[in-house]
Amino acid sequence: DIQMTQSPSSLSASVGDRVTITCRASQSIYNCLNWYQQKPGKAPKLLIYSASDLQPGVPSRFSGSGSGTDFTLTISSLQPEDFATYYCQQSYNTPYTFGQGTKLEIK
Amino acid sequence: EVQLVESGGGLVQPGRSLRLSCTVSGFTFGDYAMSWVRQAPGKGLEWIGFIRAKTYGGTTEYAASMDGRFTISKDDSESIAYLQMNSLKAEDTAVYYCVRVRVAVAGNNFDYWGQGTLVTVSS
Repeated sequence: DIQMTQSPSSLSASVGDRVTITCRASQSIYNCLNWYQQKPGKAPKLLIYSASDLQPGVPSRFSGSGSGTDFTLTISSLQPEDFATYYCQQSYNTPYTFGQGTKLEIK
Repeated sequence: EVQLVESGGGLVQPGRSLRLSCTVSGFTFGDYAMSWVRQAPGKGLEWIGFIRAKTYGGTTEYAASMDGRFTISKDDSESIAYLQMNSLKAEDTAVYYCVRVRVAVAGNNFDYWGQGTLVTVSS
């Protein structure tokens, strides 16, 4: 199975900050990498697919980059509604695997 | 509007079976693969498996950690996906999400999620 490792596991930041979350795959997954946002008590929401494609309706302050084994999710200017947990997920092959999550908290 | 609504969760004793349903609307159900993802309390997301659209054979794949106890099926005529869970264990306690699988240029992604249904396995 492909292991996905996110860092950091938690992060404190302020409104207006630029934030980067990284995700590393245990082998090359080309650009078969998705990012999800989950708020407490809610289902996850797709933000970025295929490493860098913005899901329609997602604000442009979210962006994704990377290929191979190393990927990043960047939020250019944090808004209050962005405080949530973020997960990466590989879809290169099954079993599809998720990172352990990065909890983004208000500083 | 795309909607996925899970049902069938609840309290079940260890060793028993449970079938979850996912009723969808707002898209042509038969054209899509469907997947199930679960989340144990306070934990991360775990992929359970998926079923391909009939156009791609309607075949299924599962995470090995499900130990062959889970079966996914779909009724295209009723727009319902199912997750049959057998020999349930305490560690299967989780919120179970039904997810639509979208095929992209690079890999698949889960573009729509249900609200989730809680399954609690306890005596």
